[in-house]
Amino acid sequence: DAKTTQPNSMESNEEEPVHLPCNHSTISGTDYIHWYRQLPSQGPEYVIHGLTSNVNNRMASLAIAEDRKSSTLILHRATLRDAAVYYCILRDVRDDKIIFGKGTRLHILP
Amino acid sequence: DSGVTQTPKHLITATGQRVTLRCSPRSGDLSVYWYQQSLDQGLQFLIQYYNGEERAKGNILERFSAQQFPDLHSELNLSSLELGDSALYFCASSKRTSGGGTYEQYFGPGTRLTVT
Repeated sequence: DAKTTQPNSMESNEEEPVHLPCNHSTISGTDYIHWYRQLPSQGPEYVIHGLTSNVNNRMASLAIAEDRKSSTLILHRATLRDAAVYYCILRDVRDDKIIFGKGTRLHILP
Repeated sequence: DSGVTQTPKHLITATGQRVTLRCSPRSGDLSVYWYQQSLDQGLQFLIQYYNGEERAKGNILERFSAQQFPDLHSELNLSSLELGDSALYFCASSKRTSGGGTYEQYFGPGTRLTVT
């Protein structure tokens, strides 16, 4: 499985945008970029995914570099509820399982 | 609420015992996945079932087994339990019919297993 690299932790202020980076230099043409997050004491929660183009949904935006070797998850206006571990994951189109890395622990400061 | 339910929420048992964890997927989802989350190993994929058939296996111990029933609920059986099996066990489901990597998975709240 292609690997992703994320910072161990990040801090952001409440009500400000947050940009969570992810490097995936060995990504293959059939890999989708997925983001999940895990709030304290809860199961992982799907956030967003994309292949080549930038994607937006009600939770976040996903910006994918033109060469697809990196991506950024954007939370437009962080709230305290967004404090969680965020996982950037590559999933082959043919592969069902999710291989989780260590993720980025996001702290939101009031 | 993801729509995936897991029972029980908590389970405390002794070494050597056997337990069964239960998962009901979201309505309409044919695929069920089991994951284990421990402090030292993080979140690890164990096994996947699709419409009653085993579809993929991950780092699942031989002491562990799973099945998916005709009503699509799934059970994870853990036997000869050891202290190191203490962990959170999550079930997830997805609609997956093909192109698995394109479908999101919805996770349940987990079962916390404590082996003493």
